[in-house]
Amino acid sequence: KNQVEQSPQSLIILEGKNCTLQCNYTVSPFSNLRWYKQDTGRGPVSLTIMTFSENTKSNGRYTATLDADTKQSSLHITASQLSDSASYICVVVYFGNEKLTFGTGTRLTIIP
Amino acid sequence: GAVVSQHPSWVICKSGTSVKIECRSLDFQATTMFWYRQFPKQSLMLMATSNEGSKATYEQGVEKDKFLINHASLTLSTLTVTSAHPEDSSFYICSARKLQGLRETQYFGPGTRLLVL
Repeated sequence: KNQVEQSPQSLIILEGKNCTLQCNYTVSPFSNLRWYKQDTGRGPVSLTIMTFSENTKSNGRYTATLDADTKQSSLHITASQLSDSASYICVVVYFGNEKLTFGTGTRLTIIP
Repeated sequence: GAVVSQHPSWVICKSGTSVKIECRSLDFQATTMFWYRQFPKQSLMLMATSNEGSKATYEQGVEKDKFLINHASLTLSTLTVTSAHPEDSSFYICSARKLQGLRETQYFGPGTRLLVL
């Protein structure tokens, strides 16, 4: 069983709408949780990084939340744009060896 | 943010040949770089950790004689896929670890698409 589960697997929304992506993890102990955006055929690009003591972190239209007690995180995208179409990957970093555990990603498609 | 480049961005080769992929950190020194492989619609899978001046550490199930890693300098790591076969066709992504105070961040390269015919 993957230690980082993401939902939904894929999502299609209209341009301009908001959406929220979910990430549940079992990695423990963890150092930090990261959200990445990966365009097709490209490497991941960091959106947010949160330590266990942080509840929320924003980067423009992207807002990530973290509940370390329930081991859940979400990524909220506001006023979606066509360029937001990509895979969004939740990554949890082990405390100590800083090893990254990747979620399976959510494929987001924005339609005009 | 920090910049990591990969070369080539894509390569097509015949079965049995060797392919070398370069990963460079352009504006910072990276004592540690990582190599990942990603199959379609799947997560990135760590293949090995590359440390400057020492041997790479391979993940379980990754053949070190097939995937040769050389971290020759603080800004360059190379992955050589030896005697490539069609099942090696994949998207290979490197990342470089940058230390910023007490925090470290991995910056990913743009990836290299390998197709073995």
